[in-house]
Order: sequence, then C-alpha cells, then structure tokens
Amino acid sequence: DSGVTQTPKHLITATGQRVTLRCSPRSGDLSVYWYQQSLDQGLQFLIQYYNGEERAKGNILERFSAQQFPDLHSELNLSSLELGDSALYFCASGGRGSHNEQFFGPGTRLTVL
Amino acid sequence: GQSLEQPSEVTAVEGAIVQINCTYQTSGFYGLSWYQQHDGGAPTFLSYNALDGLEETGRFSSFLSRSDSYGYLLLQELQMKDSASYFCAARGGQNFVFGPGTRLSVLP
Repeated sequence: DSGVTQTPKHLITATGQRVTLRCSPRSGDLSVYWYQQSLDQGLQFLIQYYNGEERAKGNILERFSAQQFPDLHSELNLSSLELGDSALYFCASGGRGSHNEQFFGPGTRLTVL
Repeated sequence: GQSLEQPSEVTAVEGAIVQINCTYQTSGFYGLSWYQQHDGGAPTFLSYNALDGLEETGRFSSFLSRSDSYGYLLLQELQMKDSASYFCAARGGQNFVFGPGTRLSVLP
C-alpha cells in the first residue's frame, strides 16, 4: 500500500460526457502527479501540482484539467470524452525524497463507450 | 523531443541475472529512475541515479552514464515474483518521461 488513494476504481461513461477523478496523496507529500496509461501509449505524464500550484505540465489535452485543493487532494477533470480517452489514470505523490521517488495510487480505470 | 528507449521483452530463468538497458534523450536531464509494475498493479519505485555510477539496493542495482545517455537496471538472483514490466523514467525540463517498458518473464 503506497498510501496514495484514488477514487473511483472503475468508471464507465459515454462519449461526450465529463468525469472527475480524485486523488489523495500520502501524508506529508505536497506534490501530486497525474499519468495516463494506455496499451499503445504507455505511461504519459499529464500534470504536476505542488502545494496547490501547477508545477509542471506534460501531454495534457485541453479537454483535461486538474487542480489541487488546500487539503492537498487533487482532482483530474476529463470532459468531452472520446473513445481514445479510455485508459488507466494514475495519481502519484512524493518527489520530496533525495531519490525523487513517486508513490503511485492504485489507479482509476476509465472506459468510454 | 524527449524519449527513452528500452527493450520490449526479456526472458530469464530463476536464479539468473538480467540487465535491462535504457537509453534516453531529454533536455534538462535530472536523473534516471526505475519502476516495476506487475500486471493490473501500479508502478512502484525501485531506484534512482542522479550521478554516474552504480546504486545497489538488495538484489537490484541501477547504473547511469550521463556521457553516454545510458542506464541499466540489473536484477540478480531472479525470482518468479520478479516477472513484471520495468520502466525507466527521466525528468526532462518540465516533463516526466517514461520509457515504453520492458516485460520481464522469469521461467522456472
């Protein structure tokens, strides 16, 4: 158990819809990272927040947005969903250790029908 | 662009030693990390190299050569539970980039 929690575990929705994925980091971690993992694209970095502020941005689509709240939990919002958005979405926290390690949550499996 | 390359598959027998290579091309390189991911599970951190040389953690070791933009993960005394995918990862500038993953199969 990494100490990072993600909800929901599974999500099934239709094209054009909007969903929100939630992540709670490990106690004491200020950074939250979001990743998308699909079979053909591997692990893709989407965005990082540090103590409520956006710190780094990767290959995040304009239809996707994220935020980190004062209690440090984070939400990833996906809108105008397309079939290709079906993937496993991971949240990770950490990055404060000398080894720069990230601790991944169990993931949310999103299926867009 | 920023990219990491690693072999797609490696097979070895229990008790053997296996090396998984990773070459990278990133700007603003900070260091190379390695993660393990079992089927259906989340990636878990294995090791990190910021400087050239070898880092050892139990049965796992990781090596980095900045001048060659190359690193490897060495797994010794392989066990069946080591069957998993292994990813190298690097931070390049504002982006965290993961390699495509190497699927390790350990045979009895």
